[in-house]
Amino acid sequence: DAGVIQSPRHEVTEMGQEVTLRCKPISGHNSLFWYRQTMMRGLELLIYFNNNVPIDDSGMPEDRFSAKMPNASFSTLKIQPSEPRDSAVYFCASSFGASGRNLADTQYFGPGTRLTVL
Amino acid sequence: AQSVTQLGSHVSVSEGALVLLRCNYSSSVPPYLFWYVQYPNQGLQLLLKYTSAATLVKGINGFEAEFKKSETSFHLTKPSAHMSDAAEYFCAVSGGRSGGSNYKLTFGKGTLLTVNP
Repeated sequence: DAGVIQSPRHEVTEMGQEVTLRCKPISGHNSLFWYRQTMMRGLELLIYFNNNVPIDDSGMPEDRFSAKMPNASFSTLKIQPSEPRDSAVYFCASSFGASGRNLADTQYFGPGTRLTVL
Repeated sequence: AQSVTQLGSHVSVSEGALVLLRCNYSSSVPPYLFWYVQYPNQGLQLLLKYTSAATLVKGINGFEAEFKKSETSFHLTKPSAHMSDAAEYFCAVSGGRSGGSNYKLTFGKGTLLTVNP
């Protein structure tokens, strides 16, 4: 099993540019999570998908952030336009649960994308 | 709502010494509790989880944690530290079986463990 795959691993961009982060969850998993990790705020849940449908996007900072999951094997997190305060490590995680809402299900994290916005 | 407090952002131990990483939680419903480990430049990996069965939970790499409801604690221990244990450790809480937004994991700020030879 390849685990959760994220790309790119590192992204350096300039303020105002569009950034797209990609995630391939573990095959068979039906829940997908995007997290952001910063020194100041720690790990924060940005958005949660269940069966490709966004269930909770209350953690998305503002309209500059958007996430999609067009199919069970792919998700994107887009920032447009990017700002220096978006610099962080972004993690994707996936899990499988019969109900999709059982948090005893282990979340498997990808290696993260380190984003630097200059 | 849930919250997690990890006491000590940095813990340093000698190789072979006891590891104790502290976690206190706040939850309005019976919680599920987790410990994750993050090695440098990697994602988080589950060490162990408490889901209202046995209060003493054993995880990978010799770690264990005990759920103490009266103390609202879920401290992580390992009898003998190894150099390979050096990493950052995160405690997390979810809403257990309460339904609603129980899918949300709330993480502590993390504790960086260093192991000295």
